[in-house]
Amino acid sequence: RKEVEQDPGPFNVPEGATVAFNCTYSNSASQSFFWYRQDCRKEPKLLMSVYSSGNEDGRFTAQLNRASQYISLLIRDSKLSDSATYLCVVSQVGGFKTIFGAGTRLFVKA
Amino acid sequence: DAGVTQSPTHLIKTRGQQVTLRCSPKSGHDTVSWYQQALGQGPQFIFQYYEEEERQRGNFPDRFSGHQFPNYSSELNVNALLLGDSALYLCASSLANSNQPQHFGDGTRLSIL
Repeated sequence: RKEVEQDPGPFNVPEGATVAFNCTYSNSASQSFFWYRQDCRKEPKLLMSVYSSGNEDGRFTAQLNRASQYISLLIRDSKLSDSATYLCVVSQVGGFKTIFGAGTRLFVKA
Repeated sequence: DAGVTQSPTHLIKTRGQQVTLRCSPKSGHDTVSWYQQALGQGPQFIFQYYEEEERQRGNFPDRFSGHQFPNYSSELNVNALLLGDSALYLCASSLANSNQPQHFGDGTRLSIL
């Protein structure tokens, strides 16, 4: 079993749709959680950190369920510019053992 | 405020050769991590350097080695290159013992012929 698993995708959605990505992790010692966005042939860029209380940044909402070891990312009102690969990232205290999921590809179409 | 910088941007090598990739961390960061990203895959952790020492290592052979300098910059060396080493190599910097996210450089795209 992989340490961090994501929906395999790809997700193909129309503009304006709501899309949800799921991620599970296996190491209960994990402390920090992030969603990164990666455009084709570019480096990953931080989208948002994920907190236990859940957090929102505009059209993006991230949730963490420590008991289930599950992280989610919700994108509302999808834009064409949201098309990218979304990477779930999990690490232990102090950035130790940072593990990336394989990523979920999103295509938003007009 | 300079972000993470990597060099070179692209590199072409042949099997059996050796390569050195370079990384300068974001200003204020003291920890550098290296990742290998094959096409269609997520980044795979190679190793992390802090205080000029390898602090942790992923599941990569000894052909992959590194170094960190007193100014926190880092090098990744790969010996006896294989076709399977073709990938995007990403450097990320962070602050030690912090739960803040890593910042990534643009990466070095390495092609092995």
